[in-house]
Amino acid sequence: GQNIDQPTEMTATEGAIVQINCTYQTSGFNGLFWYQQHAGEAPTFLSYNVLDGLEEKGRFSSFLSRSKGYSYLLLKELQMKDSASYLCAAMDSNYQLIWGAGTKLIIKP
Amino acid sequence: GAGVSQSPSNKVTEKGKDVELRCDPISGHTALYWYRQSLGQGLEFLIYFQGNSAPDKSGLPSDRFSAERTGGSVSTLTIQRTQQEDSAVYLCASSLEPGHTYQETQYFGPGTRLLVL
Repeated sequence: GQNIDQPTEMTATEGAIVQINCTYQTSGFNGLFWYQQHAGEAPTFLSYNVLDGLEEKGRFSSFLSRSKGYSYLLLKELQMKDSASYLCAAMDSNYQLIWGAGTKLIIKP
Repeated sequence: GAGVSQSPSNKVTEKGKDVELRCDPISGHTALYWYRQSLGQGLEFLIYFQGNSAPDKSGLPSDRFSAERTGGSVSTLTIQRTQQEDSAVYLCASSLEPGHTYQETQYFGPGTRLLVL
């Protein structure tokens, strides 16, 4: 079956670095997405990886290892506004997104 | 408009009534998705439209749920004889053209918060 696993909740300190892991199992693979969702709002796109390696975009970076079925989202210099849920989603061979349940990130001062 | 829009933003209804939720995708986007999200939960896929192809209805939870997409643009999700467990946020997303790098990125509307009393 198809499955996405990511931690339910993480806590980090303002100014620090946090890494949110995601493992996936899909029928075929056409890329890995990360979305950010603030409470009460719709998800917004953060990153897309389809090749192995690290993609850096400002304070946020996303990493993919296709052979391991593994991705992580790295957030640096954490700010209070980064408190949100982070959703991992893998695209299968039919270009359908398989969604994880999301990781709630709590930032403490 | 610049983004995906949905209406109404909030809907309160009584158990047993029918509701219609509307989604206007980004102009030019060929793919349209409906999801459901219960409080504190992940996204639950409902239905997917792509161009003129038959929709993928594999996520619809029961035959009380149906959706249409007219003219390849606006979509309506209909829930008949609503139940309390239907209470959730219903999210619509659109993408440019699945099957091409970066064009699969789904852009979400603000959602419709449905409460069934």
